[in-house]
Amino acid sequence: GAGVSQTPSNKVTEKGKYVELRCDPISGHTALYWYRQSLGQGPEFLIYFQGTGAADDSGLPNDRFFAVRPEGSVSTLKIQRTERGDSAVYLCASSPSRGNTEAFFGQGTRLTVV
Amino acid sequence: AQSVTQPDIHITVSEGASLELRCNYSYGATPYLFWYVQSPGQGLQLLLKYFSGDTLVQGIKGFEAEFKRSQSSFNLRKPSVHWSDAAEYFCAVDASSNTGKLIFGQGTTLQVKP
Repeated sequence: GAGVSQTPSNKVTEKGKYVELRCDPISGHTALYWYRQSLGQGPEFLIYFQGTGAADDSGLPNDRFFAVRPEGSVSTLKIQRTERGDSAVYLCASSPSRGNTEAFFGQGTRLTVV
Repeated sequence: AQSVTQPDIHITVSEGASLELRCNYSYGATPYLFWYVQSPGQGLQLLLKYFSGDTLVQGIKGFEAEFKRSQSSFNLRKPSVHWSDAAEYFCAVDASSNTGKLIFGQGTTLQVKP
């Protein structure tokens, strides 16, 4: 596609449920990033993939969060046993290679845990 | 630890007036610096970036920013603001050895008065 696509755009889930958020990066981009943006805050880094491997997952808040990118393209962010504090906009970005280039952001998935 | 500070949470300017949004960073080495804009319902869009060389950087939409190492600042400027510039603006630094992993400031919301 022309840009980074994230689905769904909105997700409402009940506390304790499992959710998956999908990111479809720009074709050919090898680097993929997940960020979380809480209300009134700037985006916070979660995890970075270079190809299929997670090069840096230091931003994942705890072991309820996990992300995969099995074929080096589409990535899925998985959240187990959701909590109300997980409510935020989850942003995905991709770039042609690591660093020194522009990261293109998707419009995000707004997750609300009730 | 690396950090980015945007001292102004909210700024209001009149259409046609000049604009300066402040950004200060904390980073040990020469940083890679970015300014992004986020309009309601839109993804983050890169306005400009600084990697090296000329410390005055030109961006899209008539924006520019100046890197001042002595002040650890990267302030964003525009000579004449348009109503369509109303949005949220984020300053960011590439946090770790040019991986593209960004640390964002809290953001500055710009309101433009007619």
